[in-house]
Amino acid sequence: GENVEQHPSTLSVQEGDSAVIKCTYSDSASNYFPWYKQELGKGPQLIIDIRSNVGEKKDQRIAVTLNKTAKHFSLHITETQPEDSAVYFCAASIRGGNEKLTFGTGTRLTIIP
Amino acid sequence: DGGITQSPKYLFRKEGQNVTLSCEQNLNHDAMYWYRQDPGQGLRLIYYSQIVNDFQKGDIAEGYSVSREKKESFPLTVTSAQKNPTAFYLCASSPRQDEAFFGQGTRLTVV
Repeated sequence: GENVEQHPSTLSVQEGDSAVIKCTYSDSASNYFPWYKQELGKGPQLIIDIRSNVGEKKDQRIAVTLNKTAKHFSLHITETQPEDSAVYFCAASIRGGNEKLTFGTGTRLTIIP
Repeated sequence: DGGITQSPKYLFRKEGQNVTLSCEQNLNHDAMYWYRQDPGQGLRLIYYSQIVNDFQKGDIAEGYSVSREKKESFPLTVTSAQKNPTAFYLCASSPRQDEAFFGQGTRLTVV
């Protein structure tokens, strides 16, 4: 089955700097890669996703890149703000297939004011 | 309002008891999922269902059971066979080939 690895497990950055979180996946059939943000005591919320037919997607300060050959994808947050502090999860899925969504172990991002 | 609702928010279980966690969605989504979250271990898949009256085991199904009798409902039963049930449980739903939406979770504690 699919295995998703996520690094780093914790990340601290100065406010205004950029943050990068990386994930690798094992199943070459995976074609959908979402990123979720989870605040304390709440359910995860989707912040951005990418499908295997594109290499990069941006939404304001957030971008995701995908390298299908190397089977890795990354989340980039620019101009970080205190409200970006949260736990971030990557995931991989075979959409149009079994639809099973496999998550990485999460990254706790702390923005230092 | 459309959304996915989990109840209760907090649940306490005595040793040897079965408990059922509720998950309801009015988004008309085909797929539904149950995840368990422990500190430092991310989200681990317990069960998922792509369609009514069908479901598949995830990575940690032992000690859990589910049913999918209606499209909008996917209850999870934590049985007495689950030896370490204290955790944060998350339910999600998704349309086919699109993003998954999560509920706000149920925190289960064994007392």
